Amino acid sequence: EVQLQQSGAELVRPGTSVKLSCKVSGDTITAYYMHFVKQRPGQGLEWIGRIDPEDDSTKYAEKFKNKATLTADTSSNTAYLKLSSLTSEDTATYFCTTGNSGYFDYWGQGVMVTVSS
Amino acid sequence: DIQMTQSPASLSASLGETVTIECRASEDIYNGLAWYQQKPGKSPQLLIYNANSLHTGVPSRFSGSGSGTQYSLKINSLQSEDVASYFCQQYYDYPYTFGAGTKLELK
Repeated sequence: EVQLQQSGAELVRPGTSVKLSCKVSGDTITAYYMHFVKQRPGQGLEWIGRIDPEDDSTKYAEKFKNKATLTADTSSNTAYLKLSSLTSEDTATYFCTTGNSGYFDYWGQGVMVTVSS
Repeated sequence: DIQMTQSPASLSASLGETVTIECRASEDIYNGLAWYQQKPGKSPQLLIYNANSLHTGVPSRFSGSGSGTQYSLKINSLQSEDVASYFCQQYYDYPYTFGAGTKLELK
């Protein structure tokens, strides 16, 4: 069974960057598109973007194009989300998820990012 | 971007009742629609994909229907474990977009 294990909670300063990881087990990461989704406290879900680890091609939602960078390391079966120039608006839980057919079968446990001075 | 309008925002129902949640897309999404359940502090879980296909392991009291721009999720015979938030998602076109969610509570 495919499992996605995300890195731990982060407390970061405004203006800095943070890099979150999502490790795939139970299969090779190149079998999946890896997506990331944002959820602010008490709010809905926002799709950030996805990476194809097979060729590192990416797609982003317009509002995250200057905020998020997706990368993947096939040797460690891990996908990464880097968030830059952090503000309080970036305080949220970030999920990694997979879905080669567009819908999301598997989800990581989520990682809480808190931006505070 | 395709906008997903989900209703109602919240819903209160009794055990054993049937509830329906709706999602309207701003354009035809050709059944590229999924429904997720999310419990507090947990990750979303896939219920329905391709508008009406039940994901493996999901109880048969959940069903999806619709076409074009109008879709719905129905829960028959509501159980206590169904208390959660529900989200629709379109994957017909990038960027993928979600409905704002429906919070389901017990009356």
